[in-house]
Amino acid sequence: AQSVTQPDIHITVSEGASLELRCNYSYGATPYLFWYVQSPGQGLQLLLKYFSGDTLVQGIKGFEAEFKRSQSSFNLRKPSVHWSDAAEYFCAVGGGGATNKLIFGTGTLLAVQP
Amino acid sequence: EADIYQTPRYLVIGTGKKITLECSQTMGHDKMYWYQQDPGMELHLIHYSYGVNSTEKGDLSSESTVSRIRTEHFPLTLESARPSHTSQYLCASSESRGRLTEAFFGQGTRLTVV
Repeated sequence: AQSVTQPDIHITVSEGASLELRCNYSYGATPYLFWYVQSPGQGLQLLLKYFSGDTLVQGIKGFEAEFKRSQSSFNLRKPSVHWSDAAEYFCAVGGGGATNKLIFGTGTLLAVQP
Repeated sequence: EADIYQTPRYLVIGTGKKITLECSQTMGHDKMYWYQQDPGMELHLIHYSYGVNSTEKGDLSSESTVSRIRTEHFPLTLESARPSHTSQYLCASSESRGRLTEAFFGQGTRLTVV
């Protein structure tokens, strides 16, 4: 069955520190992978996506993610966190096809300490 | 900036009332989706549409219904609201291409049924 696991429900980092949010997926075919961010009371904004090619993808706001097929992972990273990065982050997987449906993880809530 | 709009943003309504959550997009996307999101939980797909006059049930069973009479409009209706319908509802759209493309999300409607 298709699924996405985000093992960390809540993470707190200090401003300026590096960040890594974990995402593992289960998918029978080549996955299409996404990271979205959701600020309080807002919808989801796409940070980055992986379809094929280079396994290290760059996104907006200084985020990057690395696709590791052998580990079924797509972890999100940022070298230096800003207070404005505090939000909830969702990893999602999709397989294309006619429906274009996405399967989301449970999210990781990021808090940033001054 | 994604052009997908949801109204209302917040709604508190009594049990038994009929409600319609509006979703409109100006991007000309064929595919549209409704997700339900409970606090601390992943997003669950409840409805999707390939295009005009096409609607399908999603992965999570829902008592709501949808319609797609116009490309840009994908309203969700609850005939008789119940407290169990209290949740956040997110609308999304994506292009219709041969491969998976990212979904653009509205800001959501937070529904409370009392």
